[in-house]
Amino acid sequence: NAGVMQNPRHLVRRRGQEARLRCSPMKGHSHVYWYRQLPEEGLKFMVYLQKENIIDESGMPKERFSAEFPKEGPSILRIQQVVRGDSAAYFCASSPEGWSGYTFGSGTRLTVV
Amino acid sequence: RKEVEQDPGPFNVPEGATVAFNCTYSNSASQSFFWYRQDCRKEPKLLMSVYSSGNEDGRFTAQLNRASQYISLLIRDSKLSDSATYLCVDNAGNMLTFGGGTRLMVKP
Repeated sequence: NAGVMQNPRHLVRRRGQEARLRCSPMKGHSHVYWYRQLPEEGLKFMVYLQKENIIDESGMPKERFSAEFPKEGPSILRIQQVVRGDSAAYFCASSPEGWSGYTFGSGTRLTVV
Repeated sequence: RKEVEQDPGPFNVPEGATVAFNCTYSNSASQSFFWYRQDCRKEPKLLMSVYSSGNEDGRFTAQLNRASQYISLLIRDSKLSDSATYLCVDNAGNMLTFGGGTRLMVKP
């Protein structure tokens, strides 16, 4: 049973470009969460999704960031017009219904140059 | 005020030592908590849940003090492989709220 799969592992973007981060949850998990970890800081919640629904996006920046979890395929975190401050590790986690002890993916490290 | 606060450390201890970390939380309504472990540049991994009655898993013991709103993690007989950052986590609603982590370095 593969774990939570995130790709790419590393992503370099120039300022103003778009970044797309993908997350495939563990088999049987219907809940996906995205967290961001800035250098030398703790993880911060961004968004919680179920298939085709955004349940809680209270941690998402108001502009440039969006997330989806379509009926088919991975969850996508999209960052438009990236800026240097977006450089961070972005972790995706998944859980089955009714359990909050998530399993995290290995993360995508975004570097904006 | 941060919702979950931890001493960032580092805690430098010799192998075999016993070390304890505390964490305080601000949400008095929070019901459940976790300790996660994060190695350098890796993802967080669930170490253990924290219950009011306390729970033990091998060399690790977690305690919750609701009256004082703090959580503790005790590691006995420290191993070199215990070196990592330990994250205190409040499970509140739809999200986990992480503390900034406490760094532990176990020396030979």
